[in-house]
Amino acid sequence: NAGVTQTPKFQVLKTGQSMTLQCAQDMNHNSMYWYRQDPGMGLRLIYYSASEGTTDKGEVPNGYNVSRLNKREFSLRLESAAPSQTSVYFCASKSPVPDTQYFGPGTRLTVL
Amino acid sequence: AQRVTQPEKLLSVFKGAPVELKCNYSYSGSPELFWYVQYSRQRLQLLLRHISRESIKGFTADLNKGETSFHLKKPFAQEEDSAMYYCALSGRGSGNTGKLIFGQGTTLQVKP
Repeated sequence: NAGVTQTPKFQVLKTGQSMTLQCAQDMNHNSMYWYRQDPGMGLRLIYYSASEGTTDKGEVPNGYNVSRLNKREFSLRLESAAPSQTSVYFCASKSPVPDTQYFGPGTRLTVL
Repeated sequence: AQRVTQPEKLLSVFKGAPVELKCNYSYSGSPELFWYVQYSRQRLQLLLRHISRESIKGFTADLNKGETSFHLKKPFAQEEDSAMYYCALSGRGSGNTGKLIFGQGTTLQVKP
């Protein structure tokens, strides 16, 4: 039982490049989330998916797209990376009972 | 506006001293409050939730609705408590998407 896994762990991009961050969970959770973590700002929600086939914007969705491929997988795509997207990205899935979010190890992304 | 505020970026105490990490929130409605912790080189994990009224690793947190606060306390700090602590809230009831709103985080440093 790996919980929530994320790939890659580290990535360096040039401005304008695109990439997809992968996330998978093996806990059979319906809800999944993408957050970014920036110094002094805590974690902010980018997108979330309440169930397979549905996605919704969070607090900071601009510049990102997501795909809920199936119940297990929820990917985050940067179409044209910008330096402002340099951050640590966390994926999470939520257990309904008890109400707990389980986080992945994070992806550290640098955009030059 | 829905917001979580942690006024201290860094809290430094000596081993054995009491600890209080402050958290204030604003939310229209009845929120669920959580404390999440991130130890060095580990993923973010739930420490405790207000609805459980539990004590985890000697930490407690009481929800004060009048002051809209959810401060985290421990009577005697240990070196292994050194970590980043995040206060977070989500909405309650049916239709709750489980989205978390995080505070900015407080780094707790426990000195020997």
